[in-house]
Amino acid sequence: GAGVSQSPSNKVTEKGKDVELRCDPISGHTALYWYRQSLGQGLEFLIYFQGNSAPDKSGLPSDRFSAERTGGSVSTLTIQRTQQEDSAVYLCASSFLGVEQFFGPGTRLTVL
Amino acid sequence: AQSVTQPDIHITVSEGASLELRCNYSYGATPYLFWYVQSPGQGLQLLLKYFSGDTLVQGIKGFEAEFKRSQSSFNLRKPSVHWSDAAEYFCAVGALIQGAQKLVFGQGTRLTINP
Repeated sequence: GAGVSQSPSNKVTEKGKDVELRCDPISGHTALYWYRQSLGQGLEFLIYFQGNSAPDKSGLPSDRFSAERTGGSVSTLTIQRTQQEDSAVYLCASSFLGVEQFFGPGTRLTVL
Repeated sequence: AQSVTQPDIHITVSEGASLELRCNYSYGATPYLFWYVQSPGQGLQLLLKYFSGDTLVQGIKGFEAEFKRSQSSFNLRKPSVHWSDAAEYFCAVGALIQGAQKLVFGQGTRLTINP
């Protein structure tokens, strides 16, 4: 069956530009998560959506980061005025009940 | 606070040898525990999970893990590794944090297989 998909798979941008990363969760999954994985680091939680509830943004590192989830399905993570330290792999995961999470392949972001 | 510790950053084993990757967690309630594997350039794939019941859980690719409450551990094992097992392995605890189910990950263990 279809898993979590993310696009683009790779994104190279210049410092100061805005980028949008997309996540298509597994159909029927109500919970959606964004994580950041920096080189040599573990996974850092960024933001969590559950159904129609207000998102949990407690992991967003700065106000340059934002995310939305339209129609309870597709999510977009936006990074404004990118900085070199934003370079990382951004992973999306979805879950039916919020316990077992299924991950997408990630978007590798490189900020020059 | 919830935390996961994977003491070994990098492990090298020979193909055909046995493997044990260590994971210790800190969580006040009964934990949900997971092991994920990440191959280079790939996302995370779930190897196995523990929710309740039998403390020895079987996963995919011949992996198993044992939950030991007294030691707060959830170590991953495989009797005989294959070259294709070379990857990064992450242990995670599912925790209820601020009303939401979240995964707290360890820093990962990178596994190298010698031929």
